[in-house]
Amino acid sequence: GQSLEQPSEVTAVEGAIVQINCTYQTSGFYGLSWYQQHDGGAPTFLSYNALDGLEETGRFSSFLSRSDSYGYLLLQELQMKDSASYFCAVYGSSNTGKLIFGQGTTLQVKP
Amino acid sequence: SQTIHQWPATLVQPVGSPLSLECTVEGTSNPNLYWYRQAAGRGLQLLFYSVGIGQISSEVPQNLSASRPQDRQFILSSKKLLLSDSGFYLCACLTGGGGELFFGEGSRLTVL
Repeated sequence: GQSLEQPSEVTAVEGAIVQINCTYQTSGFYGLSWYQQHDGGAPTFLSYNALDGLEETGRFSSFLSRSDSYGYLLLQELQMKDSASYFCAVYGSSNTGKLIFGQGTTLQVKP
Repeated sequence: SQTIHQWPATLVQPVGSPLSLECTVEGTSNPNLYWYRQAAGRGLQLLFYSVGIGQISSEVPQNLSASRPQDRQFILSSKKLLLSDSGFYLCACLTGGGGELFFGEGSRLTVL
């Protein structure tokens, strides 16, 4: 089977740093991506890691360790608008195209 | 850049009625296409995905079906809706070298 695990909720204050972890078990692995979804909206892409290491995009960074089947999303200088749900997703194979999501982490940023 | 048109945006259907959700993609060719369903407050459940015309992979056995009659058209259907089919349906296409899904605005289905 295939599964992804991430915490259901995280709370942090404005200006802080928060890390959202994701562990996965999949039969195939091509890369790990992260998405943000605000209430009522569609998910939007944040980052993608195909190789081990850290990818940085502005205030957001994403890390992958293929040997540990683990990744995380790091959000710095939190803002109120960062309150949303965050999903990790595994792209299992470029041949089959299968891409599955975790259950999501709800981030609440407090003043 | 690609654009995804998904319709209808909202619909309320009685149990046992048929369903057809349509999704068309612009700005890319031969994309991987996906249908996801999201229940309120939950994650995205992969329903179907397609790597080409007429090629459909199903993830979850259920009363839904999908078709890809053209390269950039993906259709989700049901002959008889169940209460459990209620949810937020999202069409998406894969862009770039992998991993980056671009979503449509979604179709919110309520089955009564």
